[in-house]
Amino acid sequence: RKEVEQDPGPFNVPEGATVAFNCTYSNSASQSFFWYRQDCRKEPKLLMSVYSSGNEDGRFTAQLNRASQYISLLIRDSKLSDSATYLCVVFARGSNYKLTFGKGTLLTVNP
Amino acid sequence: NAGVMQNPRHLVRRRGQEARLRCSPMKGHSHVYWYRQLPEEGLKFMVYLQKENIIDESGMPKERFSAEFPKEGPSILRIQQVVRGDSAAYFCASSPGGSGSGETQYFGPGTRLLVL
Repeated sequence: RKEVEQDPGPFNVPEGATVAFNCTYSNSASQSFFWYRQDCRKEPKLLMSVYSSGNEDGRFTAQLNRASQYISLLIRDSKLSDSATYLCVVFARGSNYKLTFGKGTLLTVNP
Repeated sequence: NAGVMQNPRHLVRRRGQEARLRCSPMKGHSHVYWYRQLPEEGLKFMVYLQKENIIDESGMPKERFSAEFPKEGPSILRIQQVVRGDSAAYFCASSPGGSGSGETQYFGPGTRLLVL
């Protein structure tokens, strides 16, 4: 089983749609969770951290379920500029600071 | 405050040649991480270094790959006798160090290595 698994995608949605990304992780020692965004041929950039109580940042909502080892990202009212690959990222206690990335899910928002 | 800098941004090598990838961390950062992203794959951790020390190289291939972060100058990822399978994007990240939270890693623009 892969350490971090994401929806394979790709997702194609019209502007204004709501889109949800799902992610599961296998290491129960994981302690920090993030969503990164990676534009084509660019470096990954932190979109938001994911907290146990769930957290929201504008149109973006992240949820964490530790019991199910499941993370989600919801984008509401999607914009053309949201088109990118979304990476689920996990940091495990004792992992010596290394981040474990999912393969990513490509989102294309169409006009 | 300049971000993480990597050079070259693109590197073409023939099989058997050496590739040297450089990474200058953000000012004030003393911790450097190298990740590799193969085509159509996620980023994979390679090595974590502090000044003059390799802390964790569990993601590095056992042969042909080496990394250093000298007291002065950038961190270097060196690939000897490159093969086509080494073609990938190599990203460097840096952090101030010590927090262990993961979220304080800042990524450079990457070096895209193409082996012909």
